[in-house]
Amino acid sequence: GAVVSQHPSWVICKSGTSVKIECRSLDFQATTMFWYRQFPKQSLMLMATSNEGSKATYEQGVEKDKFLINHASLTLSTLTVTSAHPEDSSFYICSARDEAGWDTQYFGPGTRLTVL
Amino acid sequence: DAKTTQPTSMDCAEGRAANLPCNHSTISGNEYVYWYRQIHSQGPQYIIHGLKNNETNEMASLIITEDRKSSTLILPHATLRDTAVYYCIANSGNTPLVFGKGTRLSVIA
Repeated sequence: GAVVSQHPSWVICKSGTSVKIECRSLDFQATTMFWYRQFPKQSLMLMATSNEGSKATYEQGVEKDKFLINHASLTLSTLTVTSAHPEDSSFYICSARDEAGWDTQYFGPGTRLTVL
Repeated sequence: DAKTTQPTSMDCAEGRAANLPCNHSTISGNEYVYWYRQIHSQGPQYIIHGLKNNETNEMASLIITEDRKSSTLILPHATLRDTAVYYCIANSGNTPLVFGKGTRLSVIA
């Protein structure tokens, strides 16, 4: 099956620092990837749609200057949380759409971010 | 995406079939029914999807009613490792998946 990886799997950082999370589709190419976050005991919330070679599309209420997304290749999208604060602590999950596989979206294992 | 309705929680005895229902009465003709599950502290795992025909793979079976207003995911022999939150999502395939609250399935020994 299609595999999506994320790195790191967890990260702890100090307030005010920036954190970069990588999302890779390992065995398929993905023009489109998606970033979600999940707070404890809640469902996944879509943050943005990442398009290879173009600007990301952000959901309402998500600050594009705070959550920088880069989709520089067909297998890699990155999410950078800039000037992180404790309220940014969450579980960040990416998915990649397999356009050669019925447009099925496959998810990464997630990245647990804790901001102190 | 069409809204889906699922029970909040279900229990199933280990070794028995788990039947998870989903209502999607406003589903559009071009929307598929997708099922994912999320085991605690992991990313969602794709299970199966279908348009109007019943589907089966190594993980599960998907039964879609003829009017496509509801569906049932069947795990034929549930194990403890199947304990998870199961999400039913109606989606055309070219838009992001929108997650509801899903059904929390507890498989009991």
